[in-house]
Amino acid sequence: ILNVEQSPQSLHVQEGDSTNFTCSFPSSNFYALHWYRWETAKSPEALFVMTLNGDEKKKGRISATLNTKEGYSYLYIKGSQPEDSATYLCAFQGGNKLVFGAGTILRVKS
Amino acid sequence: EPEVTQTPSHQVTQMGQEVILRCVPISNHLYFYWYRQILGQKVEFLVSFYNNEISEKSEIFDDQFSVERPDGSNFTLKIRSTKLEDSAMYFCASSVSRGYNQPQHFGDGTRLSIL
Repeated sequence: ILNVEQSPQSLHVQEGDSTNFTCSFPSSNFYALHWYRWETAKSPEALFVMTLNGDEKKKGRISATLNTKEGYSYLYIKGSQPEDSATYLCAFQGGNKLVFGAGTILRVKS
Repeated sequence: EPEVTQTPSHQVTQMGQEVILRCVPISNHLYFYWYRQILGQKVEFLVSFYNNEISEKSEIFDDQFSVERPDGSNFTLKIRSTKLEDSAMYFCASSVSRGYNQPQHFGDGTRLSIL
C-alpha cells in the first residue's frame, strides 16, 4: 500500500516568518510529485508538479525541492502572509492516480 | 482561467437511493478523475477515465459505482445504492494529457450526505 506522509500536521506562524513542510513518499516506481494549496470551501489549486530528482521549482514566495532517491520533497514559503493560510497537500503520482498525504495546515497570524 | 465545475455543491440522499454527481471538466482536457475525502481522512483516488473507458480504478470503486461521459462535456459519477459510508466530499479532476508533468485540476467538490 502506497503511503504518503506529511509533516508537520499543522503550523502556526507570524506574518513575515519563513516556513517549510515535508512530504515523504515511496522512492520506488516514482512518476511525479504534486503540491497543491487548498483553501477551505475552494478547490485544491495546483502549485507544482515535480518529476526529476533534484528538481527545484518556484512560484513567487513559494518554492519546492525534490529528492526521489530518498523519497522526500520540501515546500518552502518565504515571508509568510495571512493569505498563505491554507492546507498544503502533496500527492505521489503512480500511474494515473494521485496518492495524497494528509496535508499540512498553515495558519499565518498578522 | 478555465475551471472544473461540479454540481450540486451539496447532495443529501436517503440510504439505498441512487445518486449522480456531475462534473464539467476543462474543455480541452482528455483525462478525467474522481476522488473523495471522507471527513477526517486523506483524499483518495476512485477512478480515472480516458477515451470513454476506465483506465484505472481503486478497490473502493466497486460495482455500486459507475462513471460516464454522456455528451462530450459532462462527466458523471453514479452510486447505485448508497450506503452511510459513502458520505464524503467527492472531487472531480481533469488533466490535459497523461503526461507525468501535467497537473490535475480539481473542482470545488460535491458534499454527499447519506441519511
